[in-house]
Amino acid sequence: NAGVTQTPKFRILKIGQSMTLQCAQDMNHNYMYWYRQDPGMGLKLIYYSVGAGITDKGEVPNGYNVSRSTTEDFPLRLELAAPSQTSVYFCASGVVGQETQYFGPGTRLLVL
Amino acid sequence: QKEVEQNSGPLSVPEGAIASLNCTYSDRGSQSFFWYRQYSGKSPELIMFIYSNGDKEDGRFTAQLNKASQYVSLLIRDSQPSDSATYLCAVIKAGNMLTFGGGTRLMVKP
Repeated sequence: NAGVTQTPKFRILKIGQSMTLQCAQDMNHNYMYWYRQDPGMGLKLIYYSVGAGITDKGEVPNGYNVSRSTTEDFPLRLELAAPSQTSVYFCASGVVGQETQYFGPGTRLLVL
Repeated sequence: QKEVEQNSGPLSVPEGAIASLNCTYSDRGSQSFFWYRQYSGKSPELIMFIYSNGDKEDGRFTAQLNKASQYVSLLIRDSQPSDSATYLCAVIKAGNMLTFGGGTRLMVKP
């Protein structure tokens, strides 16, 4: 099992550009999550999904969109990049009834 | 008031000592409590979770929960330089949604 994978590892965007952060898991987990982590801070939940076709907002959803068409994939879309979106983005997955979350390696995003 | 609060540190302990990391939470409805370790530039990895009041031990790690005081702690015995990392406290109020504290940076000096 590859676990949770994320691409790209690092990206520089110009203000106003858009991009999609990819996340995939091969553990057949129902739950998937997107977090952002600013320097020296904890993780904040952006969006989550409890299964294919079902998504919901977390604590900091503004400026982001998600979709969940399959169990395996949970992409995060940034439509109009802003400097405030400079952060490290982590995707995670988990199983219904088990509260452990498994994290991907992260995507470091710099918006200039 | 933040939902989950941790002292940012750094907490510096000598090798072989006990490191004590603390976390307080604001919502009395919080049900489950987690400690994650995060090395610099890496993703968080789960160390321990605890649901009930009292202590839970796993090797060199002990998690302690006091729901009346809304306080959870992590003790690391015989601290090693490899334990140097940021330790994130997280709680679940309902469902599977984790709320994280800001983390405490631990430095274990040889």
